[in-house]
Amino acid sequence: NAGVMQNPRHLVRRRGQEARLRCSPMKGHSHVYWYRQLPEEGLKFMVYLQKENIIDESGMPKERFSAEFPKEGPSILRIQQVVRGDSAAYFCASSPQNLQDTEAFFGQGTRLTVV
Amino acid sequence: RKEVEQDPGPFNVPEGATVAFNCTYSNSASQSFFWYRQDCRKEPKLLMSVYSSGNEDGRFTAQLNRASQYISLLIRDSKLSDSATYLCVVNSPGGSYIPTFGRGTSLIVHP
Repeated sequence: NAGVMQNPRHLVRRRGQEARLRCSPMKGHSHVYWYRQLPEEGLKFMVYLQKENIIDESGMPKERFSAEFPKEGPSILRIQQVVRGDSAAYFCASSPQNLQDTEAFFGQGTRLTVV
Repeated sequence: RKEVEQDPGPFNVPEGATVAFNCTYSNSASQSFFWYRQDCRKEPKLLMSVYSSGNEDGRFTAQLNRASQYISLLIRDSKLSDSATYLCVVNSPGGSYIPTFGRGTSLIVHP
């Protein structure tokens, strides 16, 4: 049973390009959470999705960032017109249900470097 | 006030020492609590859940004090391999339950 899979593991983009980060949740998990971790900082919540629905996007920057979790395929975090400040580790987590009483499982992350 | 606060450390201790970390949370409606461990540049991994009655897993003991809204982690007989960042995580309601992370406490165990 594969864990949460994220790809690519490392992504280098020039300023102004688009970055697409993919997350495949664990089998049987329909809840996905995206976090960003800046160097020497903690994990900051960005967005929570279920299949075809954004449940909570209170942590998403208002511009350039979007996320989706289609009926088929992985969840995608998309960053348009990247800037140097977007350089960070982006982690995805999944869970089989609402997290009232259970933990989330994390992927290995995508490290985005904007040059 | 931050939702989940931790002393960032670092805590620098010799092998065999006992070390304790605390974490405070602001949302009294929070339902579930965890300690995660994060090694350098890797993903967070669940160390243990934290239950109201307190729970132990080998050398690790977690406690929850709902009245004071804090969580603790005690590590006994520290090993070199315990060196990592320990993240306090609180699942807080806000329409949905979102894991909210503390900034983490860095532990360095030296010979």
